[in-house]
Amino acid sequence: DAGVIQSPRHEVTEMGQEVTLRCKPISGHDYLFWYRQTMMRGLELLIYFNNNVPIDDSGMPEDRFSAKMPNASFSTLKIQPSEPRDSAVYFCASSLGRENTEAFFGQGTRLTVV
Amino acid sequence: AQSVTQLGSHVSVSEGALVLLRCNYSSSVPPYLFWYVQYPNQGLQLLLKYTTGATLVKGINGFEAEFKKSETSFHLTKPSAHMSDAAEYFCAVRRGPSVLWIKAAGNKLTFGGGTRVLVKP
Repeated sequence: DAGVIQSPRHEVTEMGQEVTLRCKPISGHDYLFWYRQTMMRGLELLIYFNNNVPIDDSGMPEDRFSAKMPNASFSTLKIQPSEPRDSAVYFCASSLGRENTEAFFGQGTRLTVV
Repeated sequence: AQSVTQLGSHVSVSEGALVLLRCNYSSSVPPYLFWYVQYPNQGLQLLLKYTTGATLVKGINGFEAEFKKSETSFHLTKPSAHMSDAAEYFCAVRRGPSVLWIKAAGNKLTFGGGTRVLVKP
């Protein structure tokens, strides 16, 4: 398996623009997580899905952030409008819904909002 | 709710010396514990995990960690540091076995702040 695939790897956008980050989880995994990593706040869980259904979105910072999972093999994280403080590395991870399993992470998308 | 504290945001060790990274957790139920490593410009990679059974867990690249319930700790060690160990290390906790595991937020990982390891030649 190719692992968790995220695109793009790097994104530079201007303040106010819409940004869409994409994730393809490992086939067969039924949990998908979106994390944000910054120097100031470390790794933060934004939202996670189980069987394509959002379970906990309490980490989503504002209404400008939204996430969808239309099917088991694809998820998006959208920021509209983007702001400079959204600059961070965004990670997608997936896992099996079994008690003793770990999460597998993608390579991340480095977002810079200027 | 669970939380993780990693003592020391930066650790510097000499090549060949012991690596010791500290992790303490807080959990209202028995936890599952994980150590991940992040190399520059990479995602997180699992080093090792404790779920049930033996409290001393061996992982990849010569690392091991010991779950100590009485101390609520899960410290990571490696007897002899190598230059390739320079990276950032994250301790994480997740809700452990529970009757309500599936219904609760059982699969959510909570991470510590990370410890960046520098290896000196």
